[in-house]
Amino acid sequence: NAGVTQTPKFQVLKTGQSMTLQCAQDMNHNSMYWYRQDPGMGLRLIYYSASEGTTDKGEVPNGYNVSRLNKREFSLRLESAAPSQTSVYFCASSEEKGAGGGNIQYFGAGTRLSVL
Amino acid sequence: GDSVTQMEGPVTLSEEAFLTINCTYTATGYPSLFWYVQYPGEGLQLLLKATKADDKGSNKGFEATYRKETTSFHLEKGSVQVSDSAVYFCALRLSGGYNKLIFGAGTRLAVHP
Repeated sequence: NAGVTQTPKFQVLKTGQSMTLQCAQDMNHNSMYWYRQDPGMGLRLIYYSASEGTTDKGEVPNGYNVSRLNKREFSLRLESAAPSQTSVYFCASSEEKGAGGGNIQYFGAGTRLSVL
Repeated sequence: GDSVTQMEGPVTLSEEAFLTINCTYTATGYPSLFWYVQYPGEGLQLLLKATKADDKGSNKGFEATYRKETTSFHLEKGSVQVSDSAVYFCALRLSGGYNKLIFGAGTRLAVHP
């Protein structure tokens, strides 16, 4: 009954370091998403993958790259971390490829990242 | 552009009080509307949804009605419990296109015994 699993849960980086946030879902969903959550701003979409083999930019993609490794896994990479990337990162997945009403997104527990 | 506006928090209530968290939206077309809840240390969970005008979503004693004339989707509960303490996010999904959610800033609810 895992759902969406994110690793790590916490991470501290120094400015300029790189890291990859991992996300895996076991619900056989087609679509996966990466969001960041900042105080007073709700969640903002960084990148999404509508289906295996495709990725697209969301609202705030600068400074990030993603890889849809297979249907289950969608990773987010920070090549050169900056203090402005201090945030809580959430991965989500949903069943349908694209258009459709009321599709539910299922979220992981989040990764809290601090960049010093 | 498309957006969601929620009332600012925190909202502090005593147990068994009535809860209203206001949410209004701006969107083209006919969006679907959602309330998500985030308990401390956890990810977001869907609380309820409505996909067309006048639909009422309900779950765990919470309700929200999709009002197209006022572009609103206010969350209500008749009697809150301490266990309802969480952050509540209103969100919309635009009709057509991919499954992109636009979130409000979130409203923190604290319920005291």
